[in-house]
Amino acid sequence: GAVVSQHPSWVICKSGTSVKIECRSLDFQATTMFWYRQFPKQSLMLMATSNEGSKATYEQGVEKDKFLINHASLTLSTLTVTSAHPEDSSFYICSLPGGGSSYNEQFFGPGTRLTVL
Amino acid sequence: QKEVEQNSGPLSVPEGAIASLNCTYSDRGSQSFFWYRQYSGKSPELIMFIYSNGDKEDGRFTAQLNKASQYVSLLIRDSQPSDSATYLCAVTGNNDMRFGAGTRLTVKP
Repeated sequence: GAVVSQHPSWVICKSGTSVKIECRSLDFQATTMFWYRQFPKQSLMLMATSNEGSKATYEQGVEKDKFLINHASLTLSTLTVTSAHPEDSSFYICSLPGGGSSYNEQFFGPGTRLTVL
Repeated sequence: QKEVEQNSGPLSVPEGAIASLNCTYSDRGSQSFFWYRQYSGKSPELIMFIYSNGDKEDGRFTAQLNKASQYVSLLIRDSQPSDSATYLCAVTGNNDMRFGAGTRLTVKP
């Protein structure tokens, strides 16, 4: 399967600051990447689909101006949490689609734990 | 109605027993079905997937799919303490993957 890295693995920031999370595909080019958020004891919730060279597609209820996604290359997508607040504290995970067609199994990055004080 | 439903558990089984995890889904057009294992503080890792009705076996794991009943399950034979984790059921349709809330499994030595 695909090898996916995320950086940083954890981050603590003050309320009101912005945090950037990177997701990298290490072994193949990805035109699509997914960003998920997971609160404690809850499942993964898809936030947005990152598309290389075009705008990201956001799920209903996810503020695109707050969660900025940039898919600048075929191996890198970034998620920036702007003006972070304590309620944004969560586990953020990116993934890449695998298989012969889109939306088969997904390969997940190791995740980024964000804590906003 | 949630798109993908799982019993949250916790499910506790003794070491060596069979653990049975269940999942139902609402979208009859769903095409692919996945089981992921997630250890606390870690991201999900794929255990296995199934596309066709029936059983699919991979080592100690067996996935079962019944599209008519919109039901998919995962059996873990000879459960080990290292199998203790949260198991996520995921379903894909045309555009995306939807996850259940997960079932927490504890295998007691």
